[in-house]
Amino acid sequence: GESVGLHLPTLSVQEGDNSIINCAYSNSASDYFIWYKQESGKGPQFIIDIRSNMDKRQGQRVTVLLNKTVKHLSLQIAATQPGDSAVYFCAEPRNTGNQFYFGTGTSLTVIP
Amino acid sequence: DAGITQSPRHKVTETGTPVTLRCHQTENHRYMYWYRQDPGHGLRLIHYSYGVKDTDKGEVSDGYSVSRSKTEDFLLTLESATSSQTSVYFCAISLGGEQFFGPGTRLTVL
Repeated sequence: GESVGLHLPTLSVQEGDNSIINCAYSNSASDYFIWYKQESGKGPQFIIDIRSNMDKRQGQRVTVLLNKTVKHLSLQIAATQPGDSAVYFCAEPRNTGNQFYFGTGTSLTVIP
Repeated sequence: DAGITQSPRHKVTETGTPVTLRCHQTENHRYMYWYRQDPGHGLRLIHYSYGVKDTDKGEVSDGYSVSRSKTEDFLLTLESATSSQTSVYFCAISLGGEQFFGPGTRLTVL
């Protein structure tokens, strides 16, 4: 079946450095992906999305890269700040009901 | 949070007791969802609704029921809570292909 997973469960970076969080997916027919950020004690928040007809999409300090050949996407955070400390996970749509599969998440810790 | 509130935010209950969690939205969204989030599992879909009185099961629906008698409210009921249902529960709505989440309810079943 389809699955969405992450390569690394935890990531620690120095403040000011760039962060890269990875996600693998298995459904080659998926045409849309979302990255969420979840801070401690809060619900997930939408960060950025990308459609399968794109390889790259940029937001404010974030970039998502999609490699359809190896079914991999990554979230890059530039100049990581303490406020970026959170769990990040990707999501891809299921086939029905406006539903999504969610990855288990990577916990990002920013070291001041 | 796209106008989504959940109540209660925290609850401790005992095994065998019924529990109802409420999700309320203010913006007339058609699709609403209940998820549970556990370490190592990510978000797992319990039930979802695509309109008033229209609901369907998700991947982990056993032991849960839902009701949606009006657009703005989606209720999740644990008829007889078990310790395995200790979790954080999130409600979500779908808007423009994205899902927006409520703040969550932390439920502990002793």
